[in-house]
Amino acid sequence: GQQVMQIPQYQHVQEGEDFTTYCNSSTTLSNIQWYKQRPGGHPVFLIQLVKSGEVKKQKRLTFQFGEAKKNSSLHITATQTTDVGTYFCAGHGNYQLIWGAGTKLIIKP
Amino acid sequence: KAGVTQTPRYLIKTRGQQVTLSCSPISGHRSVSWYQQTPGQGLQFLFEYFSETQRNKGNFPGRFSGRQFSNSRSEMNVSTLELGDSALYLCASSGYGSGSSGELFFGEGSRLTVL
Repeated sequence: GQQVMQIPQYQHVQEGEDFTTYCNSSTTLSNIQWYKQRPGGHPVFLIQLVKSGEVKKQKRLTFQFGEAKKNSSLHITATQTTDVGTYFCAGHGNYQLIWGAGTKLIIKP
Repeated sequence: KAGVTQTPRYLIKTRGQQVTLSCSPISGHRSVSWYQQTPGQGLQFLFEYFSETQRNKGNFPGRFSGRQFSNSRSEMNVSTLELGDSALYLCASSGYGSGSSGELFFGEGSRLTVL
């Protein structure tokens, strides 16, 4: 069946360092969404990418959708403590939303 | 506009019992999805309802069931509870069915502990 692989599972960074998470789908996606879940919270929608090669920015966050619409990435520049949480991608394919396993961003003390 | 409301927020059950969880979507949203989240795990899709019809179902045993009412409120039921059913159960509503793309709005979740 359709799968979306998300890596890494965890990423430890010093505050101020960059963070990137990647998602790869086994099939072409019609679009991909990104969500953030703070510790103890629920997932919150960040953005949706629809077009091949699309790049969107939200302040320090940069989202990319691959040319083949099978991969996507989220890059955070100069992480802050408020960025802590788990970032999930979710791709739409064949009338289903397929979720990545999430990448947990941990800020080293 | 009120968000997605899930009740109860916390509950404790024993093995063999059953549980019913409730979800009230955002007003006007007709799609409700349910997810199970265990510690360190991602979101495992349970099922999606749109206009009272189950549109999609995840890979869970028949002990997990759900329904949606005409006012779009949804319930999920888990019968014959097992220890492994301990999890956070999240409900999400959307203005679109899974056939289209639309952001999901999640509730705070119902945290179920099975002893």
